[in-house]
Amino acid sequence: EADIYQTPRYLVIGTGKKITLECSQTMGHDKMYWYQQDPGMELHLIHYSYGVNSTEKGDLSSESTVSRIRTEHFPLTLESARPSHTSQYLCASIRNTEAFFGQGTRLTVV
Amino acid sequence: RKEVEQDPGPFNVPEGATVAFNCTYSNSASQSFFWYRQDCRKEPKLLMSVYSSGNEDGRFTAQLNRASQYISLLIRDSKLSDSATYLCVVNFRNNAGNMLTFGGGTRLMVKP
Repeated sequence: EADIYQTPRYLVIGTGKKITLECSQTMGHDKMYWYQQDPGMELHLIHYSYGVNSTEKGDLSSESTVSRIRTEHFPLTLESARPSHTSQYLCASIRNTEAFFGQGTRLTVV
Repeated sequence: RKEVEQDPGPFNVPEGATVAFNCTYSNSASQSFFWYRQDCRKEPKLLMSVYSSGNEDGRFTAQLNRASQYISLLIRDSKLSDSATYLCVVNFRNNAGNMLTFGGGTRLMVKP
């Protein structure tokens, strides 16, 4: 069983609020990804990291930011949430070429 | 053009049927290939790797055609529990290391 955790699992928040979605893994993996996925739709890569102090933007333009100060921790922050940010956010940790996903955070912005 | 393309489906099949999905990829430098399974409202999980010689795992067979740049997944004797979205994943190496690219997924619905 993969040791990658996302919190919170569900979040309902008002427009304009700042939020941070947490992702932690205890496997010591250097590579971590954030994906955004709407129900029944494909995964969109929004951020990735190859290790500490490494962060890159993904294929989908996103108003979020990420940081990687520690290997095990890869938080994603929205400075000002909007209804268009309503989606599921999935974090993944990579060992060689295998991706281990967290259970996701379902975000609703009202 | 997307780097990894799949027919989104849905593929509606009766129990016991054989069903096949294809996936095409555009980067000829891609090195390794995988199928992931994603159940409704769950996270994706690795189903199987795809080897050049083809590989089988129970009712599931995966094949790779490098010349035509596609991979396939065959499911025999479909079960209701096979209903899910199947994601094709391609890996290539760049200067920073391995980079995984996910296809959009093919949805399978197995009916009684």
